[in-house]
Amino acid sequence: DAKTTQPPSMDCAEGRAANLPCNHSTISGNEYVYWYRQIHSQGPQYIIHGLKNNETNEMASLIITEDRKSSTLILPHATLRDTAVYYCIVRGVVASGTYKYIFGTGTRLKVLA
Amino acid sequence: NAGVMQNPRHLVRRRGQEARLRCSPMKGHSHVYWYRQLPEEGLKFMVYLQKENIIDESGMPKERFSAEFPKEGPSILRIQQVVRGDSAAYFCASSPPGLAGGDEQYFGPGTRLTVT
Repeated sequence: DAKTTQPPSMDCAEGRAANLPCNHSTISGNEYVYWYRQIHSQGPQYIIHGLKNNETNEMASLIITEDRKSSTLILPHATLRDTAVYYCIVRGVVASGTYKYIFGTGTRLKVLA
Repeated sequence: NAGVMQNPRHLVRRRGQEARLRCSPMKGHSHVYWYRQLPEEGLKFMVYLQKENIIDESGMPKERFSAEFPKEGPSILRIQQVVRGDSAAYFCASSPPGLAGGDEQYFGPGTRLTVT
């Protein structure tokens, strides 16, 4: 079962920042938070990941709370092409070597012109 | 650097036939994962393989489904005697070797299986 909870849908005006929240209250100390998005029915696209510190790359920023129980993905200037389903995933390093992702239902972000 | 390749992109099978889905990981990647996505649902993990080894098959149905990742060639997901409920998008992902906990998975475009 997914270890994350996300709102099912959100709207955002084009050019504005999109802030997508994710709750992961049962996260363990060695578990990373990953964000992916899926546009239409394409394969999921990696966006960003983090463990404890906030992270930023050319696509987005990831803000993780100090207690690590929640995080927010920020798309600084949303465009119509950012319309997609966004998945927040908690992934741990298991001794057996399993790295599977457990996807939740995600947030369907719609960017409005 | 080519991404994860999957073929065929679309596959139509009649009930009772076999379906073979292929996945070529990114160059240098030795970990392969298969996921299934039913319409309007999220992806569900099926199996995780390394070269010639199945590491975790906890998401695989007990019957009719099998996967392999041989020393040479692509990873294969095989579904025997397909039923209508097998109709879904099947995604393959790959990641680099090693136990680094921060390595992301790169997904292919998927194979859409339709069982008639």
